[in-house]
Amino acid sequence: QSVLTQPPSASGTPGQRVTISCSGSSSNIGSNNLYWYQNLPGTAPKLLIYGNYQRPSGVPDRFSGSKSGTSASLAISGLQSEDEADYYCAAWDDTLSGFVFGTGTKVTVL
Amino acid sequence: QVQLQESGPGLVKPSQTLSLTCTVSGDSVSSRSYYWSWIRQPAGEALEWIGRIYISGLTEYNSSLKTRVTISIDTSKNQFSLRLNSVTAADTAVYYCARDFGLNGMDVWGQGTTVTVSS
Repeated sequence: QSVLTQPPSASGTPGQRVTISCSGSSSNIGSNNLYWYQNLPGTAPKLLIYGNYQRPSGVPDRFSGSKSGTSASLAISGLQSEDEADYYCAAWDDTLSGFVFGTGTKVTVL
Repeated sequence: QVQLQESGPGLVKPSQTLSLTCTVSGDSVSSRSYYWSWIRQPAGEALEWIGRIYISGLTEYNSSLKTRVTISIDTSKNQFSLRLNSVTAADTAVYYCARDFGLNGMDVWGQGTTVTVSS
């Protein structure tokens, strides 16, 4: 039921900048806050970005979020090996009256 | 430090009811600042929001699961629970509970518990 579309994979070498896109619609990204979660292998998801671009305490400023219209993106600058994980965008959907997650993007550090 | 811990059977038979409990420590499920949520993730698949509950009793569910799901809250035990009826193999997943801080996102998660639906 993923109504938020992400590329299945992204990759980069250490130190590079990687960007992940998240495409939705006017009923979700277009009208509500966007969140990003990091899902390291074998661990629970971790909140990376809330309110479109805000970082919770403890999240490095290498992670940044942005939103424009019905799309959003997560940028990881200065890519590190520990950033290798699955990343999910998420937003409330007014039509579904529920929370929706993106399809997920696997980031690989080459 | 706020911690959430899921508990419940790891194996459920098809057509039966999946029941999980999330025990909260370091915070109160009676707090008016949070919703309390359930999310699941089938192996190799994306996260799926199941639903959430607020201390007032307000519940909101994933429309695709709404006819089978009940989330409840027990303030005396500082727990909230998930019941999913008429399960099939498609309900096999890691189930997470989380604290939903509204506009600030789901900021605290349990470690997750694997539930397999099989006879």
